[in-house]
Amino acid sequence: QVLLQESGPGLVKPSETVSLTCTVSDDSIDSHYYNWIRQPAGKGLEWIGRIFSSGSTNYNPSLKSRVTMSVDTSKNQFSLQLSSVTAADTAVYYCARSPPSAIIGWFDPWGQGTLVTVSS
Amino acid sequence: EIELTQSPGTLSLSPGERATLSCRASQSVADSRIVWYQQKPGQAPRLLIFGASNRATGIPDRFSGSGSGTDFTLTISRLEPEDFAVYYCQQYGSSLPMCTFGQGTKLEIK
Repeated sequence: QVLLQESGPGLVKPSETVSLTCTVSDDSIDSHYYNWIRQPAGKGLEWIGRIFSSGSTNYNPSLKSRVTMSVDTSKNQFSLQLSSVTAADTAVYYCARSPPSAIIGWFDPWGQGTLVTVSS
Repeated sequence: EIELTQSPGTLSLSPGERATLSCRASQSVADSRIVWYQQKPGQAPRLLIFGASNRATGIPDRFSGSGSGTDFTLTISRLEPEDFAVYYCQQYGSSLPMCTFGQGTKLEIK
């Protein structure tokens, strides 16, 4: 059973860039898409984007101008950078795996999530 | 983009009862590309159903999904205490690589 583990700074100031990393426990990083999904406290889920091991990405159009994803297959890690953050970006950020297909598919498994708080 | 509306917002039932959760799409979802997740407090979502009616590995058969077009349903045939949680639907039927989630249904103990 593959495990995903997010890591990040926890607290970031408004207008700054937050960087998060997800570490994958096995080599499936080479054969699946990996996604970032976020959830503000008490609210629903929002898909941010996905990346394949080749570096191919797809982003949610609503966030595309501020999102950059990257992958380091040698470390079994992929990363999210979200720029110009505001309080509206405060949320739990999850990484999750999805099938290797053109369509997004479903998410399984998920990491346990990392809380990002935007505050001065 | 396809919007999903889940109903009811909150469902109050007792263990042993049958739960029926609805997910309605703003337009037809291609190939019934609907997913259901369960989320408990402080935990990540857990995949239950994909492709509208296919149970994920390890999911008990009291969970079933159905529907097509714009109307989809998650049914829990006989509620167990551990089933009380928030349930989300998700669609991936867009022609673009994009997906959206419903706002969730909270299933609470009556």
